[in-house]
Amino acid sequence: AQSVTQLGSHVSVSEGALVLLRCNYSSSVPPYLFWYVQYPNQGLQLLLKYTTGATLVKGINGFEAEFKKSETSFHLTKPSAHMSDAAEYFCAVMNDGGNQFYFGTGTSLTVIP
Amino acid sequence: GAVVSQHPSWVICKSGTSVKIECRSLDFQATTMFWYRQFPKQSLMLMATSNEGSKATYEQGVEKDKFLINHASLTLSTLTVTSAHPEDSSFYICSARRGGSFSYEQYFGPGTRLTVT
Repeated sequence: AQSVTQLGSHVSVSEGALVLLRCNYSSSVPPYLFWYVQYPNQGLQLLLKYTTGATLVKGINGFEAEFKKSETSFHLTKPSAHMSDAAEYFCAVMNDGGNQFYFGTGTSLTVIP
Repeated sequence: GAVVSQHPSWVICKSGTSVKIECRSLDFQATTMFWYRQFPKQSLMLMATSNEGSKATYEQGVEKDKFLINHASLTLSTLTVTSAHPEDSSFYICSARRGGSFSYEQYFGPGTRLTVT
């Protein structure tokens, strides 16, 4: 079975600083990888996804993530944090042909003015 | 495109009653729908997977007689929490997956907040 590890359940950054949210997965084959954002009392919004091709993926709101097979990682970054980025972020993995998403435990991002 | 709605967005019910939550794919046909449960400050826990016209597949530890799932059409799945108790209070999120070349992606609904008093 897949597992997804998000290091750091809480991350705080200053407004304008770099955002780095970590995600590692366990898989014997390259999976499909996703990052979602969740605002309070709302569903999940897709930030970006990796399926095939270019390993650096750009998403919405200035976020990007890089798939590193050798490190089994898919860390999420944003060069400059905005106050509106404060939310819960989930990394998710799905195998090719699989029928399930495996979610990480989430990282709560706080942006300090 | 690929919008999923849930109704209601929040519901309060008394202990012992049943509550039905609807999940609809508004602009695509969903071959598979998923139901998740999320406790405060926690991740999503997959409860069950349903395919249109078939019985739902429940995850280990999820009571199928308590959480009834019906996927009657390609655009509608319902989750009924029967004889609800306070411990069933949670945030329930559905997602839908369409077939074809987009089959790897799930589209999530906005969630339903259930409070059982």
